[in-house]
This record gives sequence, structure tokens and C-alpha cells, in this order.
Amino acid sequence: GAVVSQHPSWVICKSGTSVKIECRSLDFQATTMFWYRQFPKQSLMLMATSNEGSKATYEQGVEKDKFLINHASLTLSTLTVTSAHPEDSSFYICSARHRVGSYEQYFGPGTRLTVT
Amino acid sequence: GQNIDQPTEMTATEGAIVQINCTYQTSGFNGLFWYQQHAGEAPTFLSYNVLDGLEEKGRFSSFLSRSKGYSYLLLKELQMKDSASYLCAVSGGPRGSTLGRLYFGRGTQLTVWP
Repeated sequence: GAVVSQHPSWVICKSGTSVKIECRSLDFQATTMFWYRQFPKQSLMLMATSNEGSKATYEQGVEKDKFLINHASLTLSTLTVTSAHPEDSSFYICSARHRVGSYEQYFGPGTRLTVT
Repeated sequence: GQNIDQPTEMTATEGAIVQINCTYQTSGFNGLFWYQQHAGEAPTFLSYNVLDGLEEKGRFSSFLSRSKGYSYLLLKELQMKDSASYLCAVSGGPRGSTLGRLYFGRGTQLTVWP
């Protein structure tokens, strides 16, 4: 149980285009999903917290107009990187909290984004 | 701010025991997690400590001392497949921060030699 999927697993796009990444909780309902970014040999940096049915909470320094997050249902959150630039190339990972009051997070397999 | 420190790299030989330390300073504390992450993959859960003491799970054990802001992950009978990055993460943060928010250390890259 507690499986989280991400799609696509990798994507290459041209500078200036937008890319959408999906995060799904397959066998549980996730009231909260988290979006992380990880650069090579760096740790995970939280970008935003997404709660179903409400606006995402962004971490300081993360542009909300550039990284659009939608959490339309209890099993799906999407991250759209708008007008992508090469510096946005990174490993994007989502996680989902299993239930209210739980501190444990289950991670998706990640999406490798390369912007050329 | 929240500060999580762990060594950048460690090496060990197959069959040995290795201890990866983590110290933390956070304004709130709801538990400490250890994750294993292989290159290009997402982190996988190893352990969770919220009370002081040692939690043992097979070849892996995790220890927590809340008063010292200190934890370690102990890996026994090391195998080549244990070569990975080990992430220490604290659930916490200042009052009002998102429940379940994790603060990650930079990760310790462990290399196991034959």
C-alpha cells in the first residue's frame, strides 16, 4: 500500500515551453502533497505544499507564477513548469501524506526534467 | 531557521558496520526520518524515530536523542547494494508551518567496497 506515481518519469523540452508533471496516490487518498526539487548531489528542497481543494503554499524563493500547482482531487496533484529555462532542469519529486495527522510521507519515483 | 547536518561522504567495506550521524536544530520537532536514495531514484523510507532510543529493523537501526538533537543510522552487514545516499529528515518547523513538513539534510553518500 501507499504507492505514489509520477508521470512522466523524464521529459526533455525546449526553452520557453511549459511542462506538466502529474503526481498520483494510487491506493490512498492524500490530503496533502509536497513538491520537491533536487539538483545533482544536493538534498531535496521543498518547493510547495499542496492541499486538496485549496491554493498551494510556496516556500520562500519559489515563484508561484512559474511553478503552478493544482491539487484538484485527493489522488492527483500537478506541477506545471511554465516558460521553462535551462536552469529549471532538475529532478522533481512529489510526496503524499497518507492521512491527516500522519507525519510520514510516501515519495513518487521522480521526474527528470531537462530544458534545452 | 532549520538546520540539519550530516557528513557528505562515507566509505566502508562489505560486511562491515557503518554509523551515519545526523544533528539537527529545528524550532519544532515531530520526529526524525531516515531515507535511502539511489542515484536517479526517489527516496525510500527506512526509519522513523519520535521518542529517544534505538529502533531496530533488520540490518538497519536508528537512534534518537532529542535532548542532544542527534540521531544516527546504523547499517550492519553491509552489502554492495547499500551504496546510496542516506537522507536525514526532521518533521517540524515553527508554529503554524505545515503539518508533516520535512526538513532534509544534504544526504550522506555511502560507498560500499568489496
